[in-house]
Amino acid sequence: DAGITQSPRHKVTETGTPVTLRCHQTENHRYMYWYRQDPGHGLRLIHYSYGVKDTDKGEVSDGYSVSRSKTEDFLLTLESATSSQTSVYFCAISDRALNEQFFGPGTRLTVL
Amino acid sequence: EDKVVQSPLSLVVHEGDTVTLNCSYEVTNFRSLLWYKQEKKAPTFLFMLTSSGIEKKSGRLSSILDKKELFSILNITATQTGDSAVYLCAGLMEYGNKLVFGAGTILRVKS
Repeated sequence: DAGITQSPRHKVTETGTPVTLRCHQTENHRYMYWYRQDPGHGLRLIHYSYGVKDTDKGEVSDGYSVSRSKTEDFLLTLESATSSQTSVYFCAISDRALNEQFFGPGTRLTVL
Repeated sequence: EDKVVQSPLSLVVHEGDTVTLNCSYEVTNFRSLLWYKQEKKAPTFLFMLTSSGIEKKSGRLSSILDKKELFSILNITATQTGDSAVYLCAGLMEYGNKLVFGAGTILRVKS
């Protein structure tokens, strides 16, 4: 398995609170991604990074921000969590553009 | 709008059966089609297909891409209970390296 960890693995929070999810990789891969997975929607891209401090928006970026200050860490922040952001969040990495992506174990987030 | 559609949504087969999963796509600046297997955890990579008409095989699994008709199929022969999972296909965009996923096919193999 690719060396990808996510923390926390499970989190329950209340509406309006800030939440930060962390993705950590030991593969030194350049590209990192955040997806959310919801029933009936499959996986949808939130944000991605193509290098340190280089990020861009995905399909469902509203309400989320990201930061990447080092190659190995990619943070996803929900500034003010809403119930619609209850989901399973996956981080993925790839070493080169147009190569396959490998996924982390996921974080289950519940916003009450 | 980019979209990937998988069919069937779910199916139940018996051990030893052969199954074919379908994936059609409309993806801007399409580069490749990827298949993943998901068993209650992270999706695991199966295949990436970039060229039309060239079959990729891994054991009992095989897949092929038709870039003219914009679809791919994933075949699983001699199915086993361990093949029970959600199978996801995704289109990879040339620019931005973004994956657009289908909703998945739920496969259940009964013993």
